[in-house]
Order: sequence, then structure tokens, then C-alpha cells
Amino acid sequence: DTGVSQDPRHKITKRGQNVTFRCDPISEHNRLYWYRQTLGQGPEFLTYFQNEAQLEKSRLLSDRFSAERPKGSFSTLEIQRTEQGDSAMYLCASSRGGWRGGSYEQYFGPGTRLTVT
Amino acid sequence: GENVEQHPSTLSVQEGDSAVIKCTYSDSASNYFPWYKQELGKRPQLIIDIRSNVGEKKDQRIAVTLNKTAKHFSLHITETQPEDSAVYFCAASKNTGNQFYFGTGTSLTVIP
Repeated sequence: DTGVSQDPRHKITKRGQNVTFRCDPISEHNRLYWYRQTLGQGPEFLTYFQNEAQLEKSRLLSDRFSAERPKGSFSTLEIQRTEQGDSAMYLCASSRGGWRGGSYEQYFGPGTRLTVT
Repeated sequence: GENVEQHPSTLSVQEGDSAVIKCTYSDSASNYFPWYKQELGKRPQLIIDIRSNVGEKKDQRIAVTLNKTAKHFSLHITETQPEDSAVYFCAASKNTGNQFYFGTGTSLTVIP
């Protein structure tokens, strides 16, 4: 499978615990995005990387959230001291970046569903 | 920041009829507008997109129109089929696709 993959697919954690999610983008894609999606809502932008550089970060992203993409390949999203309001689907997407092939198409992963109890 | 509003939130049409979903955006600097389809339990997938230098784009039964002056864009699906049933999201982006702002989605049901 050469698409975007995410691990784990599901995570149940207790409030106050830390969690880390992983995203493996399509190999030739240099842009990587993290989104959060709750039921009945569209994906909410969290942050994005161009290669290993984190270029944009949503103001909605509290200090408990951090993301890395150390070698410009896979990325991790960590949530510290989880709260019940963090329960959501966390989606990763990647794109080539730049207007190639006529599109900035983002390819989404299957998501990690987080439940904080 | 950008604010994208999407209407309607739900839409039911008879098979073969047309469906139209509308979005408005607030930031006049936005220059790229994709539409994504998300089937139940699946990941969003791009179905069509348009850049701000184009007023309309068509791909078979799907078309998107953009009115930059009014800051709104619309998705048109003709000859709808049951497999078109899904949630559709519009999005807006500026600065060559750095941040994407999504609408709240439209749940489309095509009744056979």
C-alpha cells in the first residue's frame, strides 16, 4: 500500500495521560498536514510541515500539542495531559507541494480515533 | 483567519436530479478551493478543485464554479447516482496550499 498510513487506528486513554500518533506520508510528498475532525464537522487544521520544517501552526493548537517530522519523512503528533475534549479523529494528509499536475491535492490517511475517558 | 461556511448541511435528491452545494469564504487572499468527498468510515478524497484564476471547472458529472467578487464557490453534481451519497466538504487555501480551512460538510443522500 503506497498511500498515507497512520498508527494506531484507535487509541483509548485516560484523562491526563500522554499519547503519540504516527503518520507515514506518501514517500515523494514533501508536505504533511495534521487535522482534527469531530463528528459532523470538517477537518480542522492543526499544523503543517514542508519537509522537516513546521511552517504553520493553528492558534487553536494548545501548548499540550506538539508535532515533529525529524527527517522529513514520517511525523508524530503528541498530546500531553489529554482532556476529554481531545477526543476526535486525528487525520494526517500529505501532498507534493507546488502546482504539479495541476493540483495541490492532499491525500488523507485513515485517521487515528482518540477516545479520552 | 479564514472562515468557510457551507450550505446546506443536509441534502436529499432523487436519483438523476442535480445537487448543488454552496460555500462562502472570508479571506480575499484565498486562491485555491478543493472539494472532498468522505464516505462513511472512510478518509476524505479530492473530487475536484479550482484556482482563483478560473471561474469554472468541469469533470464529467461534477463541476465547480467560483465567484471571486462575492467570495463564494459551488459544487454541482448532475445526474446523481446512489453512489454519490456521502459527506462533501469544501475548503479554501491561500499561499499555495499552506493552510486549508474546511467547511462543516454537506451530507448528500441520493434516493434511488
